[in-house]
Amino acid sequence: DTAVSQTPKYLVTQMGNDKSIKCEQNLGHDTMYWYKQDSKKFLKIMFSYNNKELIINETVPNRFSPKSPDKAHLNLHINSLELGDSAVYFCASSQTGTGFSPLHFGNGTRLTVT
Amino acid sequence: AQTVTQSQPEMSVQEAETVTLSCTYDTSESDYYLFWYKQPPSRQMILVIRQEAYKQQNATENRFSVNFQKAAKSFSLKISDSQLGDAAMYFCAYTPGGNQGGKLIFGQGTELSVKP
Repeated sequence: DTAVSQTPKYLVTQMGNDKSIKCEQNLGHDTMYWYKQDSKKFLKIMFSYNNKELIINETVPNRFSPKSPDKAHLNLHINSLELGDSAVYFCASSQTGTGFSPLHFGNGTRLTVT
Repeated sequence: AQTVTQSQPEMSVQEAETVTLSCTYDTSESDYYLFWYKQPPSRQMILVIRQEAYKQQNATENRFSVNFQKAAKSFSLKISDSQLGDAAMYFCAYTPGGNQGGKLIFGQGTELSVKP
């Protein structure tokens, strides 16, 4: 059973397009996250949601819009894609939004913008 | 600002030997948690070990152990009896305690290779 699943695994698209990445967790966790891993493998948080409520928004361009229809799902929509958006995007979840609960990561979505 | 620094971009170890990966962090918080995550070529992020700052005892998980020096803000990972499957990128990460959203701050990573 996959705990945190993301789709698609790979996404290749052209500049200016709009795309979405979906994430679902079956762990019953309250908090979900999006992280971005750049070409140098540096990982940085983008957003976190707790029970569908936005908790963290880390100075991400407005072209990125997370949506949480319920606490088991957190999708990422990206408008007007740019070359610099090419990266691996990880979804994650944790029991609570506290440091006590370790994060469980999905397998990542590699986004390539041409 | 809270930061995490891994000063070794790459490390190499012989199979069955021991290797230590370094990590330092900077914070003014007294309550926090530290983690080591492993990222093999499959890209999956796997939790290796966790340390609570309020615990003096160093965490251990089978062949993995940490040396947590709170005053020095150092958190190194020791891998004993290294195996080929340990080859991966290792990330040190910090998160403050309390209800601050569970935000993880990562170091730059250390690429570990294991020689047969």
